[in-house]
Amino acid sequence: DIQMTQSPSILSASVGDRVTITCRASQSISSWLAWYQQKSGKAPKALIYRASSLESGVPSRFSGSGSGTEFTLTISSLQPDDFATYYCQQYETFPLTFGGGTKVEIK
Amino acid sequence: QVQLGESGGGVVQPGRSLRLSCAASGFTFSNYGMHWVRQAPGKGLEWVAVISYDGSEKHYADFVKGRFTISRDNSKNTLWLQMNSLRTEDAAMYYCAKDISLVVVTGVPEDWGQGTLVTVSS
Repeated sequence: DIQMTQSPSILSASVGDRVTITCRASQSISSWLAWYQQKSGKAPKALIYRASSLESGVPSRFSGSGSGTEFTLTISSLQPDDFATYYCQQYETFPLTFGGGTKVEIK
Repeated sequence: QVQLGESGGGVVQPGRSLRLSCAASGFTFSNYGMHWVRQAPGKGLEWVAVISYDGSEKHYADFVKGRFTISRDNSKNTLWLQMNSLRTEDAAMYYCAKDISLVVVTGVPEDWGQGTLVTVSS
């Protein structure tokens, strides 16, 4: 199975900060990577697919990049609504696997 | 507007069975692959299974192979997850989700339901 490793696991930041979350795959997954946002007590929401394609309705302050084994999710200017947990997920092969999550909390 | 509603969760003893349902509306259910993803309390997301738009293709996580079965009825716009030989470690919120792509199972759960909680305890 492909292992997905996210860092950091917790990120403390302030409104307006530029935030970057890293996701590493245990083997190359090309660009078959998605990012999700999950707020406490809610279902996850898809943000990005194919490493850098933004889902419809997702604010442009979110962006994704990378290919192969290293990927990043960037929030250009953190907003109050962005405090949540973020997960990466590979879909290069089954079984699908998620990263352990990065909690973005208020500094 | 895509709507997914899970049901069937509850408290079950180890070794027993449970069947989860997911009622879909707001899209052409028969055109999309469907996933089950779970999340243990306080833990991360864990993919469970996927079924293709017509039920001909199924994939499972290693930890549920032989115990869980995913199925669908396109005439009823309903997805199921039959869970047998339940273990304490299967306790989680179970979400159903629609795949992002028409017909082809891409592997991106795009739209999610609110989940149904499964508790496994004696």
